[in-house]
Amino acid sequence: GNSVTQMEGPVTLSEEAFLTINCTYTATGYPSLFWYVQYPGEGLQLLLKATKADDKGSNKGFEATYRKETTSFHLEKGSVQVSDSAVYFCAMTGAGSYQLTFGKGTKLSVIP
Amino acid sequence: GAGVSQSPSNKVTEKGKDVELRCDPISGHTALYWYRQSLGQGLEFLIYFQGNSAPDKSGLPSDRFSAERTGGSVSTLTIQRTQQEDSAVYLCASSFLSVSEQFFGPGTRLTVL
Repeated sequence: GNSVTQMEGPVTLSEEAFLTINCTYTATGYPSLFWYVQYPGEGLQLLLKATKADDKGSNKGFEATYRKETTSFHLEKGSVQVSDSAVYFCAMTGAGSYQLTFGKGTKLSVIP
Repeated sequence: GAGVSQSPSNKVTEKGKDVELRCDPISGHTALYWYRQSLGQGLEFLIYFQGNSAPDKSGLPSDRFSAERTGGSVSTLTIQRTQQEDSAVYLCASSFLSVSEQFFGPGTRLTVL
């Protein structure tokens, strides 16, 4: 079946540090891949997505590239801000499917 | 326009009681989903609606859980005879089509004492 594995947190970084959150997936066929973010006290929001191999999703300075050869979709940001403190979820849907499968989530805290 | 709304935002109940959780999707969205977010299990899919029908109930954890959707809009998730392991945040999402981006509501935090 489909599954998503992401690095466990929590992750604490200083402002302006480089961020990487690793995510790998297991799926049959060609899934779509997503990163969702949950800010404190708020609902899940789609951060970025990629629907086919080698696609790069980007938003708010975050990027992730769909790597079929390594079945990965790592989230990166060059310079984090305090306002990026949140829980980040890697997720996927199977080819032609609607059901989101999520990773366990990674809590990021950015300190000034 | 308005996003997905859920009510109540918090619900505390006693073991054995029934609870109803409500979801108002974004107007015009045909697809509606329920997920559960718990400490032990992370985010899990529960059920999917297309219009008023639920072609996929595969994630419902037991027959104590049921859901309905009326008028292609509002959905209610009902948990009968609640147990402590039902404590979680219940999230609703909607999308224009079943393969479109899912927009999530703020969730209902259920605590079973």
